Amino acid sequence: NAGVTQTPKFQVLKTGQSMTLQCAQDMNHEYMSWYRQDPGMGLRLIHYSVGAGITDQGEVPNGYNVSRSTTEDFPLRLLSAAPSQTSVYFCASSPFDRGSTEAFFGQGTRLTVV
Amino acid sequence: AQSVTQLDSQVPVFEEAPVELRCNYSSSVSVYLFWYVQYPNQGLQLLLKYLSGSTLVKSINGFEAEFNKSQTSFHLRKPSVHISDTAEYFCAVSQTSYDKVIFGPGTSLSVIP
Repeated sequence: NAGVTQTPKFQVLKTGQSMTLQCAQDMNHEYMSWYRQDPGMGLRLIHYSVGAGITDQGEVPNGYNVSRSTTEDFPLRLLSAAPSQTSVYFCASSPFDRGSTEAFFGQGTRLTVV
Repeated sequence: AQSVTQLDSQVPVFEEAPVELRCNYSSSVSVYLFWYVQYPNQGLQLLLKYLSGSTLVKSINGFEAEFNKSQTSFHLRKPSVHISDTAEYFCAVSQTSYDKVIFGPGTSLSVIP
């Protein structure tokens, strides 16, 4: 089982460049989310989606866009990269009752903005 | 708003010694509680969770956590750690089945041979 697949695993961007982090899941989960992980701060929720066509902001949404055109895919877009967006990004999915079930995480994307 | 506190950012412990990783949460209502583990260069994996019923929950690899409502805590313990337990451990909380899960800052467990 593939589970949650994130691409790329590593990326270096120059300030001002844009890019899309890809996330796909094959478990037919309704709920998908993006987190960023920074030292000493744990995981902070960027954006989430409760189903195709529905997205909402998390704790730290500024500088990021998302869309959910299918159940399987939930890409994260950085419109104009900034050094403050250097981080490790994780995509996760879970069934709709996300508050009481296991979240499945991808392997992460390590992004460096120079 | 919910929040999760993990007071120890780093915990070094010798192999075969016991360990306790502390987690406290703030919520005035019933909660669901989780412990996730992150091995180096990997994503997070669920270690154990408390939803209701017995306040002591156990994982398949020897960890256990006890929900204490009066102290709003969900500490993780293991009586004898192994080198392979070296990882980052995250405590998390949600208030309802349909609520977002909030993660703590994490505790880095280092097992020393």
